[in-house]
Amino acid sequence: DAKTTQPPSMDCAEGRAANLPCNHSTISGNEYVYWYRQIHSQGPQYIIHGLKNNETNEMASLIITEDRKSSTLILPHATLRDTAVYYCIVRDNSGNTPLVFGKGTRLSVIA
Amino acid sequence: DSGVTQTPKHLITATGQRVTLRCSPRSGDLSVYWYQQSLDQGLQFLIQYYNGEERAKGNILERFSAQQFPDLHSELNLSSLELGDSALYFCASSVAFAGELFFGEGSRLTVL
Repeated sequence: DAKTTQPPSMDCAEGRAANLPCNHSTISGNEYVYWYRQIHSQGPQYIIHGLKNNETNEMASLIITEDRKSSTLILPHATLRDTAVYYCIVRDNSGNTPLVFGKGTRLSVIA
Repeated sequence: DSGVTQTPKHLITATGQRVTLRCSPRSGDLSVYWYQQSLDQGLQFLIQYYNGEERAKGNILERFSAQQFPDLHSELNLSSLELGDSALYFCASSVAFAGELFFGEGSRLTVL
């Protein structure tokens, strides 16, 4: 079962920042927060992951609260091509647990 | 392009038949994962292999089986197909048995 809670859907105006929240109140100390997205039946695409520090790459930023019970994925300047289902997943890196997808958040970027 | 190749892209078959889906992981990746995505179930983890050995198993039906070959490619065999097996089947790979997964574009199976 997924260990995360995400809103089912969100809208964002094109060019604005998209902030996607995720609650993971039962996260363990060795579990990472991963974000993936799936654009209309394509294969899911890795976006970013982090343990406790905030992370940034060319696609997005990940802000993790100090207690690690929630996080926010930020797409700084959303475009129409960012319309997708975004999945927040917690997983340890021991390899003993597979990547389990929940229902995610359907982000619609509107012109 | 993730570097993960899945064939065939589309497959239409009849109930009771058997099909094989093939996955070639990214160069250097030792782990292969299989996922099923149907309209009402979302992305479901089926099974993971690491360097030829089964590493983790999800809700994979007994009618389904998989293996990873010495050249690291993997095959998912689906037998005694039912209408409900119609779905997108994704393969993913990773360098080790954890970390970032790279997904293929999927094989769309339609069972009539």
